[in-house]
Amino acid sequence: DIQVTQSPSTLSASVGDRVTITCRASQNIYSWVAWYQQKPGKAPKLLIYKASNLGSGVPSRFSGSGSGTEFTLTISSLQPDDFATYSCQHYYDYSPTFGQGTKVEVK
Amino acid sequence: EVQLLESGGTLVQSGGSLTLSCEASGFTFSLYAMGWVRQAPGRGLEWISNIYGSGSTTNYADSVKGRFTISRDNSKNTLSLQMNSLKVEDTAVYYCAKGVKQWLDTYFDSWGQGTQVTVSS
Repeated sequence: DIQVTQSPSTLSASVGDRVTITCRASQNIYSWVAWYQQKPGKAPKLLIYKASNLGSGVPSRFSGSGSGTEFTLTISSLQPDDFATYSCQHYYDYSPTFGQGTKVEVK
Repeated sequence: EVQLLESGGTLVQSGGSLTLSCEASGFTFSLYAMGWVRQAPGRGLEWISNIYGSGSTTNYADSVKGRFTISRDNSKNTLSLQMNSLKVEDTAVYYCAKGVKQWLDTYFDSWGQGTQVTVSS
């Protein structure tokens, strides 16, 4: 099975900061990665698909990059609404597993 | 507008069984793979099962294989998850999620609000 590892687990940041979250896969998954945002008590929301494509209605301050085994989600200027947990997911095969999540908290 | 409404979550004893349902609307249900994803308290998202658009192909995470069965009724736009031999570690919020294509290698572009399953010892 493909393992997906995110880092860091927690990230402390301030409004206006540039934030980067990393996701590493245990094997080459090309660009088959999605990123989600989740707030407490709510369902996940799709942000990015195929590594770098913005989901519908997602602000342009969110961007994704990478291919192969290493991927990043970047928030160019953190906004108050962006404090949340972010998770990556590979969908290279029929077992589309998630990373463990990164909580972005107020510094 | 896509809507996914889960139901069936409750408190159940270890070893018991439970069936979750997800009513879908706002899209052509049979054209998309569907999945179940769960989140244990304080933990990350865990994919547990998905099913092809026609229902002909399914896949399961090792943690639930042999105990859970995913199915769909395309005539009723309903996705189900039959859960048997429940364990305390199955306690989680269970989400129904819509894929973006028929096949199982998909990400999820719409999610339900989740239903709580609590397994007591």
